[in-house]
Amino acid sequence: DQQVKQNSPSLSVQEGRISILNCDYTNSMFDYFLWYKKYPAEGPTFLISISSIKDKNEDGRFTVFLNKSAKHLSLHIVPSQPGDSAVYFCAAEWESGGGADGLTFGKGTHLIIQP
Amino acid sequence: AAGVIQSPRHLIKEKRETATLKCYPIPRHDTVYWYQQGPGQDPQFLISFYEKMQSDKGSIPDRFSAQQFSDYHSELNMSSLELGDSALYFCASSPVTGAEQYFGPGTRLTVT
Repeated sequence: DQQVKQNSPSLSVQEGRISILNCDYTNSMFDYFLWYKKYPAEGPTFLISISSIKDKNEDGRFTVFLNKSAKHLSLHIVPSQPGDSAVYFCAAEWESGGGADGLTFGKGTHLIIQP
Repeated sequence: AAGVIQSPRHLIKEKRETATLKCYPIPRHDTVYWYQQGPGQDPQFLISFYEKMQSDKGSIPDRFSAQQFSDYHSELNMSSLELGDSALYFCASSPVTGAEQYFGPGTRLTVT
């Protein structure tokens, strides 16, 4: 049972345009959400996170939006650059549950930025 | 900035052998996590440690064990290796429980 779902295995966007990556979750206990970027043969790199008490968090070109009622979050990258081409993983955890909880990952979206 | 260090980066073992993977967290990070990523899969959480004590347990097989040492480095011990154990094994660290996790480059384990 996939508790974090990324329904688009791949996404192609033109350089300079906005990239929007989507993520849905089913477990209502999740209260902290993260996006990671991963290149082949490397570990996931932390990009941005958001707590469930917020609906938006922005860091440079990256913005994450959270819609708790819909159990949906999205990552916006503006403007998209060639170096953004990678696999993006959405992850979630139950932070307020205490302890060092493991992250639950989606299956990833391969973002391809076209020149 | 210092990152999470994992060794070895690549490891080839035969079925039924044992393997030990090592993880050195970012300095002043006291929490370590282990994940397994199979081919084409998302990372699956195995186990975590906070202040040298096991904190959370995921889908770690009974054949695997792990510990965190006094210098906060961690080792994942894998015994009776099976072909299905072939995967990327990531270690991550965080400064306090519940904060963002920072991943190492991974150890690619191949079981033949």
